[in-house]
Amino acid sequence: LAKTTQPISMDSYEGQEVNITCSHNNIATNDYITWYQQFPSQGPRFIIQGYKTKVTNEVASLFIPADRKSSTLSLPRVSLSDTAVYYCLVGERAAANNNDMRFGAGTRLTVKP
Amino acid sequence: NAGVTQTPKFRVLKTGQSMTLLCAQDMNHEYMYWYRQDPGMGLRLIHYSVGEGTTAKGEVPDGYNVSRLKKQNFLLGLESAAPSQTSVYFCASSFADSPYGYTFGSGTRLTVV
Repeated sequence: LAKTTQPISMDSYEGQEVNITCSHNNIATNDYITWYQQFPSQGPRFIIQGYKTKVTNEVASLFIPADRKSSTLSLPRVSLSDTAVYYCLVGERAAANNNDMRFGAGTRLTVKP
Repeated sequence: NAGVTQTPKFRVLKTGQSMTLLCAQDMNHEYMYWYRQDPGMGLRLIHYSVGEGTTAKGEVPDGYNVSRLKKQNFLLGLESAAPSQTSVYFCASSFADSPYGYTFGSGTRLTVV
């Protein structure tokens, strides 16, 4: 099981780009990297998933170096509404092999005006 | 589409009482999960199901039972509630192999007094 390490908290200001890095030194060949966002009193929401190099969608980008031992979630031009907890998860995309996947404490991002 | 719906949203129980939390999804997902989240912590997997009529234990199964009689529904039961089960409970669902991760419900806030 690939353990993940990410910062406990980060602060940013509106309009800035935010990069949250997650370390996963023992990632396995079949593992994907998935990021979720959670607002207070809500369930986590899928943001992005990737396996290698770069993935981009309308919300964020995910950068994964060649050795895949870390990944960086990039949020362009954050706003106050991006204040949330962000979770990095590593595991097989096939749910049958993922049932011990852990949500850690996540990174609490605070965006200031 | 409603996605994942959890009922009730809030509940207060006395120690020793029993209750059932209901999770319903309308996305035809094969997999369903129950998590609990305690203050300042990530989510911990209680039980999960890989299909109708099947259930399995997660990381923290003690004190809980589950049933999945229909594909769209996943029930979480507390037979004799304890104060340690005070938490926010989240249900999630997914396809067996999904590039979009899990879809979570909005949670049930349970207090056991």
